[in-house]
Amino acid sequence: QSALTQPPSASGSPGQSVTISCTGTSSDVGGYNYVSWYQQHPGKAPKLMIYEVSKRPSGVPDRFSGSKSGNTASLTVSGLQAEDEADYYCSSYAGSSNFGVFGTGTKVTVL
Amino acid sequence: QLQLQESGPGLVKPSETLSLTCTVSGGSISSRFYYWGWIRQPPGKGLEWIGSIYYSGSIYYNPSLKSRVTISVDTSKNQFSLNLSSVTAADTAVYYCARDPIGGPDYWGQGTLVTVSS
Repeated sequence: QSALTQPPSASGSPGQSVTISCTGTSSDVGGYNYVSWYQQHPGKAPKLMIYEVSKRPSGVPDRFSGSKSGNTASLTVSGLQAEDEADYYCSSYAGSSNFGVFGTGTKVTVL
Repeated sequence: QLQLQESGPGLVKPSETLSLTCTVSGGSISSRFYYWGWIRQPPGKGLEWIGSIYYSGSIYYNPSLKSRVTISVDTSKNQFSLNLSSVTAADTAVYYCARDPIGGPDYWGQGTLVTVSS
């Protein structure tokens, strides 16, 4: 069960957009519409930002959006704000034998 | 509002067993919609899913940890627990418990740092 692949870092200026990719296989990301995204600030627990590929939990700004194409899911943060600077992780259902897998994580910097 | 709280020793000796408990409040662990899981994060590193359990006892483990991990549930106390045996320094991490619907956890505990050291 290998971790999903994310770029180590991404950055953008305030007001700009940044997109983070999450690449898996047909056994996880590509096989199910169960991809989630998390935001983690230093010393804090991860916070769910997107679930089931593109759904936002209550209270998450609509600046955060998710999508999927084939074996790759993406998180886009539009209108970057200083508080969006954090680590972001994806996760995916990986089938009845593995259940769950996380991505390698991406550090987003707001320039 | 659902809340989860991890509890257990913050220091474990090498080769011993790490034991943590997660207490769930504001909701029932017997909900038929959710699994309940453990995730860990070594200092400065990424998240690693350890395993998840359903209230009826159905369990999934990370294959890389399966030989050392036991997860159990106590519905009468609204708790679930993690045991990780034969620990080494590589098991030093912040351990999180979480409600774990398919696709990834939605509610997380605050996490507890467990250090493996003699």
